[in-house]
Order: sequence, then structure tokens, then C-alpha cells
Amino acid sequence: AQSVTQLDSQVPVFEEAPVELRCNYSSSVSVYLFWYVQYPNQGLQLLLKYLSGSTLVESINGFEAEFNKSQTSFHLRKPSVHISDTAEYFCAVSRLNDYKLSFGAGTTVTVRA
Amino acid sequence: DAGVTQSPTHLIKTRGQQVTLRCSPKSGHDTVSWYQQALGQGPQFIFQYYEEEERQRGNFPDRFSGHQFPNYSSELNVNALLLGDSALYLCASSSDSYGYTFGSGTRLTVV
Repeated sequence: AQSVTQLDSQVPVFEEAPVELRCNYSSSVSVYLFWYVQYPNQGLQLLLKYLSGSTLVESINGFEAEFNKSQTSFHLRKPSVHISDTAEYFCAVSRLNDYKLSFGAGTTVTVRA
Repeated sequence: DAGVTQSPTHLIKTRGQQVTLRCSPKSGHDTVSWYQQALGQGPQFIFQYYEEEERQRGNFPDRFSGHQFPNYSSELNVNALLLGDSALYLCASSSDSYGYTFGSGTRLTVV
């Protein structure tokens, strides 16, 4: 079975500052990796995903994540955050040919002016 | 193009009652998964339906059951509700193993 650990439960950050959300996973087999964002009272929206190929993946709104197989990590970064980035962020893994996503407990990002 | 649609958005039930939640998948998606998200936690996988059959199940009791219809829509049923069943229930649809689209969820409160 795989598990996901998000190392920070809450991350306060000032507007235009960089942010990094840490995610580690454990799995004995190859996995797909995802970051989802959840705004208040809404469902989950996919930010980005790693399936194979380049270990650095980017989203359309400035986030990026790097898959590090040796450290079993998939940390999410953004060089300059906006107030609108205030949300909960979830890291998730799925084993190849498996049908479920296993989520971390989430990281709450609060961006202040 | 409508994404995943869930109904109702909010629901209040009494302990011991039964509830049915509904999900319409995104157009072109044939697989539906259900997740339970308790307050302050990440979503937990309940089960997945494909071709009207339960294909995989998470660690949830038999009180949780589901159904998928020929048009790929799905229902989640929970019997004998407990206070601990209060949560946001999320439906996700996909057409493969890594393209999940989530709905906005149904907020269930058990009193």
C-alpha cells in the first residue's frame, strides 16, 4: 500500500513571496503523483500531475513540482504567490494500474498582503 | 461542457437514517469514484464503479454501497447513518487511471 505525508499542515506566506509545499510518499511500486487544490466550500481541482518523463512538471498558473525518486518526494513550489492562491493543497499518489488516489492530509496556504 | 455534477449540495440526516447521493460524470468519462472527506482531512477512497460493477473498494463498511447506471451516472448509499459519517462526499469521474475530475461534493451532516 502507498501512503502520502504532507510535512506542513499550515503555511502562512506574504503576497509575492515564494512558497514550497512538501510531499513525501512511500510505495514499493511505481506511482503517478498529483497535486490538487481545494478552495473553500468547493471540490478538488487538479493543479498538476507526474506520470512519466521529465521530473519537473508545471501548471498553467505558475506552480511547479519536481518528482525526486530517490527521496520519494513531490514538492510543490510557486515563486510568487497571490492572495487568490489561498486554499488547501493536497498531494496524492496512485499506483500504476490501480484505481484509487491516496491523499495526504493537506496543507492550508494562507496568503496575506 | 459540464464537469462532474453532484446532488444534493447539502443534506442533514438523523442517526440511523439512510441517504442516497448522486453523481453525473463529466461527458466522455465512464468511471466513477467516491471519496469521503472528513473535516480537516484528505479525501478517503470509498469505491470505484466501472461498467456498472464495483471495481475496487476502500476500507469502508458494508453500510456504504453504490450503483452505476448505463449512462455512467452513479449513486452512493449509506445505511444506518452514524455521527461519524458527517463529511463532504466527493465524486470523481475519469476515462483512465490518471485523469480524475472531481465534483464540488455533497456536504452530509448527521445529527
